[in-house]
Amino acid sequence: QQPVQSPQAVILREGEDAVINCSSSKALYSVHWYRQKHGEAPVFLMILLKGGEQKGHEKISASFNEKKQQSSLYLTASQLSYSGTYFCGTGRGGVNNDMRFGAGTRLTVKP
Amino acid sequence: DGGITQSPKYLFRKEGQNVTLSCEQNLNHDAMYWYRQDPGQGLRLIYYSQIVNDFQKGDIAEGYSVSREKKESFPLTVTSAQKNPTAFYLCASSTSGDSYNEQFFGPGTRLTVL
Repeated sequence: QQPVQSPQAVILREGEDAVINCSSSKALYSVHWYRQKHGEAPVFLMILLKGGEQKGHEKISASFNEKKQQSSLYLTASQLSYSGTYFCGTGRGGVNNDMRFGAGTRLTVKP
Repeated sequence: DGGITQSPKYLFRKEGQNVTLSCEQNLNHDAMYWYRQDPGQGLRLIYYSQIVNDFQKGDIAEGYSVSREKKESFPLTVTSAQKNPTAFYLCASSTSGDSYNEQFFGPGTRLTVL
């Protein structure tokens, strides 16, 4: 039931763009995105809800295709601070307890 | 400053011992969660609580126990019945238990069984 993230890892140069994908075999109600630095707590980035509502970070954008049960996170003009592991969490109902997290995508931004 | 604290940061346990991980939040959040994180894997839900004195099992509750006697506290006990407890444990909270609200995570406790 865990969503599948791709790619597993990506290396960028500063200023380059990246897309991280998250797909589920189940119908989705919501998608959450978090970023985790090594050894630290995950930090909230964005929530996308069925119906198009979004809440989140100003400089990061994401899409949610309800039909395809997929979400993508778009990182543009990457900065060194974007490095970390990105997780998507997918919910099938209205409560967080139904959320499942993907295995993560490790993003490395180099100077 | 509001936030979530977890203690200890590192914990070592001998096989056969029970240990309790602390999680405290001063965000006035109703919902609290415990996750386990293993290398190369996502976060797996152990237990969650939406209100005081109530909690539910997640996907991997076997070998763990929790209590929620106060709104701000949600301790996790790793019992000797947990066969492979070495992992990174994360506590989180949210305003309520629905998908509209983001989860705020604590800094984590790294448990190692010797």
